[in-house]
Amino acid sequence: AQSVTQLDSQVPVFEEAPVELRCNYSSSVSVYLFWYVQYPNQGLQLLLKYLSGSTLVESINGFEAEFNKSQTSFHLRKPSVHISDTAEYFCAVTSSNTGKLIFGQGTTLQVKP
Amino acid sequence: NAGVTQTPKFQVLKTGQSMTLQCAQDMNHNSMYWYRQDPGMGLRLIYYSASEGTTDKGEVPNGYNVSRLNKREFSLRLESAAPSQTSVYFCASSEASQRVYEQYFGPGTRLTVT
Repeated sequence: AQSVTQLDSQVPVFEEAPVELRCNYSSSVSVYLFWYVQYPNQGLQLLLKYLSGSTLVESINGFEAEFNKSQTSFHLRKPSVHISDTAEYFCAVTSSNTGKLIFGQGTTLQVKP
Repeated sequence: NAGVTQTPKFQVLKTGQSMTLQCAQDMNHNSMYWYRQDPGMGLRLIYYSASEGTTDKGEVPNGYNVSRLNKREFSLRLESAAPSQTSVYFCASSEASQRVYEQYFGPGTRLTVT
């Protein structure tokens, strides 16, 4: 069975500081990995995804994540955060033979001025 | 395109009451999903529909029923609401013909059962 663990429930950080949100997964089959972001009182939006090819994937707003197969991780990073990045972030995994997403517990990123 | 829409946005029920949450998508997707979101637990799949006319249980189906009315619409019904069903409910859709099931989410329904 697949599972996803987000190692931090809350990450407080000051504006313009770097941040890393950690995600580990377990799966016996090939996987596709996603990061979703949820702003307050809104639905989830896709931030970035790993399908195949380059293990480093980037989003349009400066986030990046690296797929590490040996460590079964897909950590999310940003070199300099903004107040507007305050949100909850979810890591998710799916395999090609199910289509169902398995979500982690979520990490709340709190950016302080 | 409106994407995925959900009604209502908010609902308060008393224990034992019933209600149906509505979801519709205009992206011509084959697959649709219902999740519930609870603090510290992420999103958990209640039911999903891989294609029109089919539905399957997810991780937490007890106390819920679903109907895939047509390709656009997927409703979730609570027959006898319980306080444990207080949650935020999200509907999502994806295109099953693609190898990767990228899901698109609605804005959610906040349900409180007293």
